[in-house]
Amino acid sequence: AAGVIQSPRHLIKEKRETATLKCYPIPRHDTVYWYQQGPGQDPQFLISFYEKMQSDKGSIPDRFSAQQFSDYHSELNMSSLELGDSALYFCASSAYREMNTEAFFGQGTRLTVV
Amino acid sequence: RKEVEQDPGPFNVPEGATVAFNCTYSNSASQSFFWYRQDCRKEPKLLMSVYSSGNEDGRFTAQLNRASQYISLLIRDSKLSDSATYLCVLRDSWGKLQFGAGTQVVVTP
Repeated sequence: AAGVIQSPRHLIKEKRETATLKCYPIPRHDTVYWYQQGPGQDPQFLISFYEKMQSDKGSIPDRFSAQQFSDYHSELNMSSLELGDSALYFCASSAYREMNTEAFFGQGTRLTVV
Repeated sequence: RKEVEQDPGPFNVPEGATVAFNCTYSNSASQSFFWYRQDCRKEPKLLMSVYSSGNEDGRFTAQLNRASQYISLLIRDSKLSDSATYLCVLRDSWGKLQFGAGTQVVVTP
C-alpha cells in the first residue's frame, strides 16, 4: 500500500542557506501535518494543512513557510537556516473527516545544518 | 502545562515482565486516541487505537478513562523487541494531532 513519501531523506545544508522539504500524502488523504523532532526530543508540531488551506500553526519559525498544493502534496520551505534547525522533520497525513482513523507518518527528512 | 503528558521513563523491564504506563491529557474535547511506537529516530508507527471500552491486541492492552482524562498502555510478557519509545497521540475536535513526549521502554534480557 502507498505510504507517506518524504523527500529528500537526508539533507545537509550550510548556515543561512535555504531548504525545501517535500511530503506526498497517502492518496485520498486531505490533511498534512509537519513536525520537527530534535535530538532526544518529542515531535513538535509546526503547521498543518487541510484542503490546501493552513488549518493550524504551531511552533513554526517565521523563517519557515509551507503550503499544500492542488495534488495535496506539501512543501516546507526553510530559509536562513540555523544550526538549531538540524532535526528530523516528519510529515503525517490523514483523512480529516475520518476522525477515528490514525495519521500515517513518512520516514522523515533528516536535516543537518553545518 | 503541556496538553499531553507522559512519564519519559525509561522503564527498565525484565524480559517476560509486564509494564504499564499512562498518558494524561488536558483537552476534554479530545476525540481520538492512539498509541504509536517510535524506534530509534524512525517515524512513529501506529501501535493501536484506544477505544472507550478498552481494547487488546495480543500482548498489548489499551484503556481510555475519559473522566480522569488519561489513556494507558499495558504490555504483557515483554519481549526485547518491545524496546522503543511509546508516543501517546490524540486528535482534537479540529482534527489536530497532539503528541506526548513519549515513554521509553527498555526490555532487558
